Amino acid sequence: GAGVSQSPRYKVAKRGQDVALRCDPISGHVSLFWYQQALGQGPEFLTYFQNEAQLDKSGLPSDRFFAERPEGSVSTLKIQRTQQEDSAVYLCASSPYGQGLNTEAFFGQGTRLTVV
Amino acid sequence: AQSVTQLDSQVPVFEEAPVELRCNYSSSVSVYLFWYVQYPNQGLQLLLKYLSGSTLVKGINGFEAEFNKSQTSFHLRKPSVHISDTAEYFCAVSEISGSRLTFGEGTQLTVNP
Repeated sequence: GAGVSQSPRYKVAKRGQDVALRCDPISGHVSLFWYQQALGQGPEFLTYFQNEAQLDKSGLPSDRFFAERPEGSVSTLKIQRTQQEDSAVYLCASSPYGQGLNTEAFFGQGTRLTVV
Repeated sequence: AQSVTQLDSQVPVFEEAPVELRCNYSSSVSVYLFWYVQYPNQGLQLLLKYLSGSTLVKGINGFEAEFNKSQTSFHLRKPSVHISDTAEYFCAVSEISGSRLTFGEGTQLTVNP
């Protein structure tokens, strides 16, 4: 597709449930990022992939959060045993450049996760 | 590490008035600077970016920003706003040698008729 695609757009999870959020980056883009945007806040970095390698996962808030990009294209962000504080919009972005050449990131529309 | 401060959380203006959204940053290394816009229930769209060269940067939709290294600022301006400019605006920085973006908390611009 022409842009970054995320699915589902909306997800309601019961506390304790596991969720998986999907990101389809722009074809051929080397870099992929996940950000978490709490209500009324700016996005906060979670993790970064260059192709299939996860080069930075320092922003993941706990070991309940796990991300993968096994073939260097589609990525999945998994949250285990969801808690209310996980409620946020999860944004995916991709860039044609690798680390050190970041001049632009293209964002998807996000997945709004609500934990009840 | 970097940080970004957007000095105004909300900016109401009338249509066709000029507007300035303020952004200050802190970093111990050289950075790239960005402004993104977010419409309701949408992702982030790049308005403009400063990488190097001229400190006055022009972007889409008539917006421009000026990089001031001595004041560590990157304020966004538009000489005449439209109703359709109503949105959340985010200032962001990235280390030249890095990859992640660090965002400010956002400024809600509301353009009233």
